[in-house]
Amino acid sequence: QVQLEESGGGLVKPGGSLRLSCVASGFTFSDYYLIWIRQAPGKGLEWVSYISGSSFNVFSADSVKGRFTVSRDNAKKSLYLDMNSLRADDTAVYYCARGHTSGAYYGEYWGQGALVTVSS
Amino acid sequence: SYDLTQPPSLSVSPGQTASITCSGDQLEDKYLCWYRQRPGQSPVVVIYEDNKRPPGIPERFSGSNSGNTATLTISGTQPMDEADYYCQAWDSGSGRFFGGGTRLTVL
Repeated sequence: QVQLEESGGGLVKPGGSLRLSCVASGFTFSDYYLIWIRQAPGKGLEWVSYISGSSFNVFSADSVKGRFTVSRDNAKKSLYLDMNSLRADDTAVYYCARGHTSGAYYGEYWGQGALVTVSS
Repeated sequence: SYDLTQPPSLSVSPGQTASITCSGDQLEDKYLCWYRQRPGQSPVVVIYEDNKRPPGIPERFSGSNSGNTATLTISGTQPMDEADYYCQAWDSGSGRFFGGGTRLTVL
């Protein structure tokens, strides 16, 4: 079955950097769009970024543009989110999710999430 | 940017019908999905493309999208349906938008 497992979360100081990873199994990884979605503590969901199977199509929300970079390694079946210039309002659980083969329309399958805390 | 508005909370008794709304300008021109998020768990899609149900989601879950309002309907609501529900819309562009979420209480 489809499985997604995030790692790399933790505590980081404002202005710092962190890399999240998401390892996938149970489907042909390179065929699918992959998505990062976050949820601040006690708050709603926020779309962060997505990337196509070939890495040709990439999108980032305005709130993270220029600071976060999404990438993937199809050989390793892994999705990444490089986060720089982190701010307190980036504190959230970050979920990776699988989209469709034709687009990142919605998250069909989700990982368990990785908590990122930005605090001094 | 595109705003999707959901009621913050809704309470129903077991066996009743729960109708959770999601409103946005010309929402019918976009596709919509609904997620259920139980406490401490990741979201799960319960409706996609306005009214389609993924495998494993009970038939009591249904969806509609017309005009400026989409509705998630849960017929014969059960205590296990108690959760936060989020709508999410997308269009032919790159925009992806979440509603603020509705906490459904079954009591």
